[in-house]
Amino acid sequence: SQQGEEDPQALSIQEGENATMNCSYKTSINNLQWYRQNSGRGLVHLILIRSNEREKHSGRLRVTLDTSKKSSSLLITASRAADTASYFCVGSGNTPLVFGKGTRLSVIA
Amino acid sequence: DAGITQSPRHKVTETGTPVTLRCHQTENHRYMYWYRQDPGHGLRLIHYSYGVKDTDKGEVSDGYSVSRSKTEDFLLTLESATSSQTSVYFCAISDGASSYEQYFGPGTRLTVT
Repeated sequence: SQQGEEDPQALSIQEGENATMNCSYKTSINNLQWYRQNSGRGLVHLILIRSNEREKHSGRLRVTLDTSKKSSSLLITASRAADTASYFCVGSGNTPLVFGKGTRLSVIA
Repeated sequence: DAGITQSPRHKVTETGTPVTLRCHQTENHRYMYWYRQDPGHGLRLIHYSYGVKDTDKGEVSDGYSVSRSKTEDFLLTLESATSSQTSVYFCAISDGASSYEQYFGPGTRLTVT
């Protein structure tokens, strides 16, 4: 499957700092997606990076993809308390998405 | 939020009773999914649909059935609820297969006593 595995499982930072989360996967993918989940809510799509892309930006988000290492990273710059959430990566291919357990990010004001 | 609603939002039921959860979309997306989310397990796919009357199993489909008689509605039925099915259930939709982003509903919290 294209299940993503996020690392670390939990991350706690001060407001204003950058947060970096990593993702690894095992099989080939067409693209990799990152989602955010606020407590008690459904997941929200953040960004999609295609397998032929190496880096992508969206606002304060920066995603990298290294298909040779089967890994991705999500960088959130200048974090805010509102960024407190769980973050999931998922590689997509020819089978339904398989979500990992996520990284729980806490941003302390 | 994308036009996805789930009903009910909260339900408490007794072991052995049937339960049906409803997902309704106004986006005319072809794909619909049911997931459950439990502490320590992340989000797990139960069933999904790729069109009216076209459904397939996910990784945790035992004890669940689904139906999709029209594009906008996807029903999840617990045939005989068990305590292990206490969970938060999320519906999601997408315009295409797995390479497309998914839009999630607000979730249904189900407690089986």
